Amino acid sequence: DTEVTQTPKHLVMGMTNKKSLKCEQHMGHRAMYWYKQKAKKPPELMFVYSYEKLSINESVPSRFSPECPNSSLLNLHLHALQPEDSALYLCASSQDGGAGSPLHFGNGTRLTVT
Amino acid sequence: RKEVEQDPGPFNVPEGATVAFNCTYSNSASQSFFWYRQDCRKEPKLLMSVYSSGNEDGRFTAQLNRASQYISLLIRDSKLSDSATYLCVVNWGYGQNFVFGPGTRLSVLP
Repeated sequence: DTEVTQTPKHLVMGMTNKKSLKCEQHMGHRAMYWYKQKAKKPPELMFVYSYEKLSINESVPSRFSPECPNSSLLNLHLHALQPEDSALYLCASSQDGGAGSPLHFGNGTRLTVT
Repeated sequence: RKEVEQDPGPFNVPEGATVAFNCTYSNSASQSFFWYRQDCRKEPKLLMSVYSSGNEDGRFTAQLNRASQYISLLIRDSKLSDSATYLCVVNWGYGQNFVFGPGTRLSVLP
């Protein structure tokens, strides 16, 4: 069982829709991440929150908007996406600040943009 | 040069075989190292952290060579269930700087 929970598991949305992906962890981790993964490629970092503050934004288009309401929750708001944004979106968490702390991934949301 | 490189694969091996994967990293300041496995259409799952002295977990052995900047993963007595993509992940320092290798696909054949 994963300790990082993502909802929904699957999402189909049109290019004019607004939707949100949600992620929750209760491991007391202080860093939370959004990754995007295309088929046969490794995960690609999008955003990192550390202690509820955005610490890394990997030049992600503004149609993706992250939000960290508290230390356990991470959202990704989606608006006006393109078909090429279809991918597996992975949330992860880590203890942060300590060398040797691995990433823990959620099950992911498989997004299809039509 | 890519920051983290892995054997291109795919590796197709019979059940019971021993298989080894290599991973090289470019940043000599890298602090911590991990192997993840990822099944098709699933999330990556931590297989093992890699420690300086090397470490073993059942059929899996990980080694780190800081001088040559590579890590390895050895799988003994391969099972069908070991079929997956193996991702090498390097952390460049404290906190958030995780860099992924491209992954190596393993297929264990009956």
